[in-house]
Amino acid sequence: DIQMTQSPSSLSASVGDRVTITCRANQYIRNYLAWFQQKPGKAPKSLIYGASSLQSGVPSRFSGSGFGTDFALTISSLQPEDFATYYCQQYDTFPYTFGQGTKLEIK
Amino acid sequence: QITLKESGPTVVKPTQTLTLTCTFSGFSLSTRGVGVGWIRQPPGKAPESLALIYWDDDKRYNSSLQSRLSITKDTSTNQVVLTMTNMDPVDTATYYCAHIWGDLTDPWGQGILVTVSS
Repeated sequence: DIQMTQSPSSLSASVGDRVTITCRANQYIRNYLAWFQQKPGKAPKSLIYGASSLQSGVPSRFSGSGFGTDFALTISSLQPEDFATYYCQQYDTFPYTFGQGTKLEIK
Repeated sequence: QITLKESGPTVVKPTQTLTLTCTFSGFSLSTRGVGVGWIRQPPGKAPESLALIYWDDDKRYNSSLQSRLSITKDTSTNQVVLTMTNMDPVDTATYYCAHIWGDLTDPWGQGILVTVSS
């Protein structure tokens, strides 16, 4: 299975901050990379697919980048509703595997 | 609007077989390219893909669980069923189904917490 490694595991930031979460695959996955946001007690919500395409309805402060093995999710100006856990997922090869998650907390 | 909802037992005993049903609306599993996947998430951990089934009955299974899993679809009732045999306490998790189309795994159902305990 393809292993996905996210960093950091947790992050404290303030409203208005710019934050970046990185994700690395241990194999080449082209741009078959998605990002999800999960809030407590809720299902994950799709933010980004194809490494950099914004899912419909997702605010433009979210952006994704990368290709091959190294990827990033950037939130340009944190809003209160953005404090959540974020997961990357590769869908190049089944089983589609997830990173371990990044918990974004309010400083 | 696409919606999915998981149903089934919330408690199963070790060694029993778990059967979960995903009932969906807003799309057809007869449409080319469409799929439904099952994903589980143990408490406090990352999600894990279990299985998926496509419109043409192509099926994929997580290789580490393949001997225990079975996925089927019923396009007439808009349901996908996941069966997992020989349940163990480590299988305690929230089980989700999700719509898959192209690059998108979205939306997901609300999830069902399944606890394995004697």
